Amino acid sequence: ETGVTQTPRHLVMGMTNKKSLKCEQHLGHNAMYWYKQSAKKPLELMFVYSLEERVENNSVPSRFSPECPNSSHLFLHLHTLQPEDSALYLCASSQRRQPAEQFFGPGTRLTVL
Amino acid sequence: AQSVAQPEDQVNVAEGNPLTVKCTYSVSGNPYLFWYVQYPNRGLQFLLKYITGDNLVKGSYGFEAEFNKSQTSFHLKKPSALVSDSALYFCAVRDRDDKIIFGKGTRLHILP
Repeated sequence: ETGVTQTPRHLVMGMTNKKSLKCEQHLGHNAMYWYKQSAKKPLELMFVYSLEERVENNSVPSRFSPECPNSSHLFLHLHTLQPEDSALYLCASSQRRQPAEQFFGPGTRLTVL
Repeated sequence: AQSVAQPEDQVNVAEGNPLTVKCTYSVSGNPYLFWYVQYPNRGLQFLLKYITGDNLVKGSYGFEAEFNKSQTSFHLKKPSALVSDSALYFCAVRDRDDKIIFGKGTRLHILP
């Protein structure tokens, strides 16, 4: 794989549950990203963290709460989700402020019942 | 506003034939352009990028892409397609403000 790991790979949760997605990168990058990939929709950038500071939040509902405790770890905390939040959630990392490519994790397939 | 367009939802190519996956972009200033591939149940994998220099960029798995400034295009190409190239391909552009925009993706089917 690419040096970016995500856990769990699959998650099924009810609308009242609270769960967290975890992402870890071993590439020494200083920026990390959360994306949402739904069927038949373009890849949606959700959050960007640069040097552990959130620099972008693309109008994501508050039921999604990111956390970046250090440059290697990124979390997405989930609570009271809706069925339309079912999607593949992808984490990526890169070197910020360089025209560098992003490295993606394998994603977490989330199903909200 | 910057944007990326992949005009084809799906491209079908016979194995052994050349393939092209189209991408056009709109961005202020000089663009940084990328191609990624996504296999089923996997994340996106970087294929190649154009930053500056030669308009023809070579990447992984025998893919290449040609940057055409006058046509604002960055089409992905391969001289001879393999069945294993069947996947979802994304074009992306990154501007000076570091904003990244992905195209909607093109599904490539290589027919045996």
